[in-house]
Amino acid sequence: DQQVKQNSPSLSVQEGRISILNCDYTNSMFDYFLWYKKYPAEGPTFLISISSIKDKNEDGRFTVFLNKSAKHLSLHIVPSQPGDSAVYFCAASATGTSGSRLTFGEGTQLTVNP
Amino acid sequence: GAVVSQHPSWVICKSGTSVKIECRSLDFQATTMFWYRQFPKQSLMLMATSNEGSKATYEQGVEKDKFLINHASLTLSTLTVTSAHPEDSSFYICSAVRTAGYTEAFFGQGTRLTVV
Repeated sequence: DQQVKQNSPSLSVQEGRISILNCDYTNSMFDYFLWYKKYPAEGPTFLISISSIKDKNEDGRFTVFLNKSAKHLSLHIVPSQPGDSAVYFCAASATGTSGSRLTFGEGTQLTVNP
Repeated sequence: GAVVSQHPSWVICKSGTSVKIECRSLDFQATTMFWYRQFPKQSLMLMATSNEGSKATYEQGVEKDKFLINHASLTLSTLTVTSAHPEDSSFYICSAVRTAGYTEAFFGQGTRLTVV
């Protein structure tokens, strides 16, 4: 049972344009969401997070939007840069779980073309 | 962000041998560490949760006798793959958190295990 789903395995955008990565979840107990960036043969790097009490969180070029009623979140990167090319994972956790016990989506490969 | 170091970054071992992977939090004390496994082009699958000074909690389907986890100190957790087989070949990643709750997990760089 895939509780966190990223339905787009890949996304390609032009440099300078907006990248929008989507994530859906099914477990209504999830109340904290994170986005990670991952290069091949490396561990994930934390990008940005959002608590369920918010619907938007912004950090520089990265903005995460949360729609609780739709159980959907998205990561916006603007403007996109070639260095943003990587696999992006969304992850979710629920209050009461041990530390940051995260459930990951399948990942979306973002390619930003110069 | 905090630094989590994983060693080795890659290892090749013969079938039937055991391999130990270390996960260290370098600049903070980690009350909890997590071990993940990633197959090519797939998600990170949580294997077990490791709490300092207590037994690890394994996810369903993960053999605790095969994947031995020890979290002897607040800065070190180890994963030992015992009697490794080719199907154990994978990318293993650890993460560490300072405190329970809404804390970002910091990940190690991962270990590529190849069993021949």
